[in-house]
Amino acid sequence: DAGVTQSPTHLIKTRGQQVTLRCSPISGHKSVSWYQQVLGQGPQFIFQYYEKEERGRGNFPDRFSARQFPNYSSELNVNALLLGDSALYLCASSLGGEAYGYTFGSGTRLTVV
Amino acid sequence: DQQVKQNSPSLSVQEGRISILNCDYTNSMFDYFLWYKKYPAEGPTFLISISSIKDKNEDGRFTVFLNKSAKHLSLHIVPSQPGDSAVYFCAATTLYGNEKLTFGTGTRLTIIP
Repeated sequence: DAGVTQSPTHLIKTRGQQVTLRCSPISGHKSVSWYQQVLGQGPQFIFQYYEKEERGRGNFPDRFSARQFPNYSSELNVNALLLGDSALYLCASSLGGEAYGYTFGSGTRLTVV
Repeated sequence: DQQVKQNSPSLSVQEGRISILNCDYTNSMFDYFLWYKKYPAEGPTFLISISSIKDKNEDGRFTVFLNKSAKHLSLHIVPSQPGDSAVYFCAATTLYGNEKLTFGTGTRLTIIP
């Protein structure tokens, strides 16, 4: 069975650019959450979506946005990239949005130069 | 405000001995706790969890202990094996009405053969 898949696995962007990260949840999972993991820190909650509706938002600026599609896949967008946005971006899916039921993907490593 | 803390960034343990990883939390609303294991270039993998109505949960070589009065939990791995070498994250959430996990900063465990 396919797990949570994220694309791309790595990318390099320049300050000020925009980036879109993609996530496909486990089949049957209706909720997707996004986390940012900066080097040396634990993952930090960015967003959760359930049935295409935003269910929760972490303490991130408006440059960060996301959406969920009818097939439950999701995109995370970050505008006006800063050096500090360099991180591993993790997507997690769960059946009904319960945080204790998460399965994480392998992440997208974003480097901003 | 770091609500979940792992004060030991690293730990080295001899193969076959017990590994003890510690975690403290400050938010008394947390009632469900999880441990994740993370290898490089992979997402966190769920290891074991515990509800606040319990003080101990076992799964094979892994045992999690919860001391609610001290707001402290620990993960015991016995016996430690080389494949246990990874970064371990403690995470906390509430069972109802919460859409996110709050993670600690992680402990890098190295098992010495």
